[in-house]
Amino acid sequence: EPEVTQTPSHQVTQMGQEVILRCVPISNHLYFYWYRQILGQKVEFLVSFYNNEISEKSEIFDDQFSVERPDGSNFTLKIRSTKLEDSAMYFCASRNRRETQYFGPGTRLLVL
Amino acid sequence: GENVEQHPSTLSVQEGDSAVIKCTYSDSASNYFPWYKQELGKRPQLIIDIRSNVGEKKDQRIAVTLNKTAKHFSLHITETQPEDSAVYFCAAKKWDGNKFYFGSGTKLNVKP
Repeated sequence: EPEVTQTPSHQVTQMGQEVILRCVPISNHLYFYWYRQILGQKVEFLVSFYNNEISEKSEIFDDQFSVERPDGSNFTLKIRSTKLEDSAMYFCASRNRRETQYFGPGTRLLVL
Repeated sequence: GENVEQHPSTLSVQEGDSAVIKCTYSDSASNYFPWYKQELGKRPQLIIDIRSNVGEKKDQRIAVTLNKTAKHFSLHITETQPEDSAVYFCAAKKWDGNKFYFGSGTKLNVKP
């Protein structure tokens, strides 16, 4: 069964550095998402992406965040200048025209 | 926007008992309501979902009910087993949007 994959599984970075989190959505899916989950807390929506553009974004998704689909398979989240409070698990998800959403295994980001 | 509230935040039951988790939503435009199970350190996984044209859906020991008038939906797990122990999240999505609004999660502990 196809799965959403994410790399890396863990990333440690210094405050102020840029990080790029990578996702490979399920191949025939059309809608792509990034979520954030701080340890022990709820899943927070960051952004949705459809037809090569952002369709919705949350107030968390400020100018330091950007998303890209650089080719036909990858979907990336870039954080330009990381802050301590960006430390969290970041999940990518994808779906086709049905609403059923599939999550990737997550990237645990630690900002020191 | 939409606001999804989830109760209780923690729930402890004896193996074999039933568990019920409740969510309310605020926007009548929401028409899709998934439930996710998240085991410790793992990705959220869809366990059941319901659309607004249906009042109840069942899959073996898991059922979801929806009351559109009252704007609430509930997850019912019967004959609970220790492997049901996890965090459960409800979510809602509007018919005209791509964003999923998540509840705050319920930590279910099934005691053997």
